This record gives sequence, structure tokens and C-alpha cells, in this order.
Amino acid sequence: DAKTTQPTSMDCAEGRAANLPCNHSTISGNEYVYWYRQIHSQGPQYIIHGLKNNETNEMASLIITEDRKSSTLILPHATLRDTAVYYCIVRVALTGGGNKLTFGTGTQLKVEL
Amino acid sequence: DSGVTQTPKHLITATGQRVTLRCSPRSGDLSVYWYQQSLDQGLQFLIQYYNGEERAKGNILERFSAQQFPDLHSELNLSSLELGDSALYFCASSGAQGGYGYTFGSGTRLTVV
Repeated sequence: DAKTTQPTSMDCAEGRAANLPCNHSTISGNEYVYWYRQIHSQGPQYIIHGLKNNETNEMASLIITEDRKSSTLILPHATLRDTAVYYCIVRVALTGGGNKLTFGTGTQLKVEL
Repeated sequence: DSGVTQTPKHLITATGQRVTLRCSPRSGDLSVYWYQQSLDQGLQFLIQYYNGEERAKGNILERFSAQQFPDLHSELNLSSLELGDSALYFCASSGAQGGYGYTFGSGTRLTVV
């Protein structure tokens, strides 16, 4: 599986942009990068995903480097409710048509006043 | 409400017993995934079903089994329970073989005593 590396923790001031980096240097050409977050013990929440182009939705922006070996999730105006563990994941296609998301340890983002 | 329904929310049972966890996917989603989250292992992929057929298997123990029924709901059966099986069990669903992200349910917290 393509391995991802994220910082263990980050802090961000409320109202500022939170930039969460991720390295995925072994990613294959057709593998997507997904970002999820988990607040306390709730179910992981989908944020955004991309293949090679930058993506933006109502929650965040995803910037993928041209060589696809790293990406950055940007929360443009972080709030206290964005405090969570953020997971950067490479979706793996499996033989037989299956697929899976392999979660790492993620980044604990703490948004403070 | 993510649209993925898991029951029960909490379950307490004794070692050696057997339990069944239930998941109803989001309307229209054909794929169901099961994940286990314990304190020391993080989120671990167990198994994927697509339209009633097993498509991918992860770190699922032989004591565990799953199935997806014609109405697309899925059940995860855990037998000969051990203390180490205590964990959060999440179900996720997706359409089109996961192409647009997984939607997770709120989980079942299993406590084995």
C-alpha cells in the first residue's frame, strides 16, 4: 500500500488558514489522495479527494504537487469545530475489483482562540 | 446524519459470546466496508462487499465474518469474542466502487468483558 506520512500534531489560531501537509512518495499514477477527519470517536468524515489537479469544495482545498509525491489540505478559515484528527489516505485498488482506504495515524489539529 | 445507519450503538457482552453488528448503507450505494478502530491499532480495514459479493478482505480474523444481503444492508458477525475485540466498529458505504469517497456511519462500540 502507498504509505502516507503526516505530522503528529499541529496548532492553528481560529480564523487563520490551517495547512496540513502529507507525503505520499510511493503513490502510483492512478491512485487517488483522500482526506478525512475524525472528531473524537465519531465516524470519519470525508473532506476532499483528488488525483493530480488541485481541488476545492465547501470545506477545504487540496493542493497536489506536480510529481504527486505530496499534498496539502487547506482549511481556509479554521474554527474551533475543526479540531480533529485529519487523515491523508491513498485509496488502493485491489485485485478482484475491490478497494480500500488505509488509514495512518493522522494529524491531530488543535484550533485555538 | 451521514445516511449510513449502524445498530446497535453500544454493545456489552462477555468473552466467548457471539454478536452481530448491522449496517444500512446510504441510499443508492452498492459497496459496504467494515472497519475496526481500537486504541492501539487505529482504523483497520476488515472487508468490502459490493452488491452482495465479497470484493476485498483486509485484516479480518477467522472468527469474524460478514455478508451483504439483497437489500444491500450488511452484517458483521463476531464470534468467540475476546477482550481484545473491544473496539469501535465502523461501516462505510460508497457508490461506483468507492470512486467518490466513503461515507461512514457513527459506529458500534463493542465492549467485551
